[in-house]
Amino acid sequence: QKEVEQDPGPLSVPEGAIVSLNCTYSNSAFQYFMWYRQYSRKGPELLMYTYSSGNKEDGRFTAQVDKSSKYISLFIRDSQPSDSATYLCAMSGGSGGYNKLIFGAGTRLAVHP
Amino acid sequence: EAGVAQSPRYKIIEKRQSVAFWCNPISGHATLYWYQQILGQGPKLLIQFQNNGVVDDSQLPKDRFSAERLKGVDSTLKIQPAKLEDSAVYLCASSLDIIGRDNSYNEQFFGPGTRLTVL
Repeated sequence: QKEVEQDPGPLSVPEGAIVSLNCTYSNSAFQYFMWYRQYSRKGPELLMYTYSSGNKEDGRFTAQVDKSSKYISLFIRDSQPSDSATYLCAMSGGSGGYNKLIFGAGTRLAVHP
Repeated sequence: EAGVAQSPRYKIIEKRQSVAFWCNPISGHATLYWYQQILGQGPKLLIQFQNNGVVDDSQLPKDRFSAERLKGVDSTLKIQPAKLEDSAVYLCASSLDIIGRDNSYNEQFFGPGTRLTVL
């Protein structure tokens, strides 16, 4: 079993839709939960991070962490064609240390006009 | 602020050949990481340096991969000899500090990667 599971998609939605992206994990020691966005032929860039449980909002993006269920989500409101990318969840903490990121496989999102 | 620089951007080699990748991190960043991203997968950490010392190389295939970070700035990753399964994007990342303070996240900034194809 992988430490972090993420549905690879692809996910195709119309412009303006609400997008929900999810990851599950098995290591209860994870404390930091990140969402990275990766455009084609580019390196990942950090969108948001959450420490421990709870919600965090930044503009059109909302990250949620439910440690009791070992489940994290990223919601994108009013999705735009420019949001078309691969979204990677990542986690760290525990014996691996806070800087050792464990990534999911990434979900490919396409937002069409 | 300049980002993480990597070269070359693309490389095609035959199996059993050797190859080297170069990374220049963001100025002042003490910690440098090399990741391997196979098509359809998330990045996997190969090695982590703090300044010029190795912090974690537990997932580096040491029989064929080597990395160094001389003078605590630039870094090179080498594969010798390459295998077909080494085809991937090799990403370099850097961060300012090894330990996040006050629960703040120690953000890793990624370069554009080097796409390696082994034939």
